[in-house]
Amino acid sequence: QKEVEQNSRPLSVPEGAIASLNCTYSDRGSQSFFWYRQYSGKSPELIMSIYSNGDKEDGRFTAQLNKASQYVSLLIRDSQPSDSATYLCAALFESNFGNEKLTFGTGTRLTIIP
Amino acid sequence: DGGITQSPKYLFRKEGQNVTLSCEQNLNHDAMYWYRQDPGQGLRLIYYSQIVNDFQKGDIAEGYSVSREKKESFPLTVTSAQKNPTAFYLCASSTPLKADTQYFGPGTRLTVL
Repeated sequence: QKEVEQNSRPLSVPEGAIASLNCTYSDRGSQSFFWYRQYSGKSPELIMSIYSNGDKEDGRFTAQLNKASQYVSLLIRDSQPSDSATYLCAALFESNFGNEKLTFGTGTRLTIIP
Repeated sequence: DGGITQSPKYLFRKEGQNVTLSCEQNLNHDAMYWYRQDPGQGLRLIYYSQIVNDFQKGDIAEGYSVSREKKESFPLTVTSAQKNPTAFYLCASSTPLKADTQYFGPGTRLTVL
């Protein structure tokens, strides 16, 4: 079964520090990866997508992809209390029907401590 | 405003009842999806539809049914056959051909009494 795994242990980071979130995936053929942010009681919001090996930066967010290690990460610089949320990693896998579907990890809850 | 709407926001169901959750989008997206989220868990795919009048089962389709009569609408029925329906239900849509970049509605929280 094609899976996405995240560390389910909550992460606490002081305000202004760098938060690092990690994710691994099982299907070496997957080409597309995503990070969603989900505030408590709300729906997920796409914050980053990455398709190529290396880093992709968008403001305070940097996504990193290493296809050889099947590893995706999200770095949040200058962490703010508003970054406190659950972060879901997702990968696009080919389904049994030949089309693609998004598979999500269980999420990592991030708390920024003022 | 373009977006995805879900209704109701909260829904209570008695055991043995069927209930239907609404999902509407005006993004002109061909593909629509239903996910279920349980506390502390990621999203699990229930059903998806890539085009009108066609849909496929996801990973946990048992006890659910859908229809796709219009491009804008993808309602989900939670039937009495679903043994543990209490969860947060999320509808999403995406641009044609690929499941890339899905946009989510606000969700419906279903509780079985």
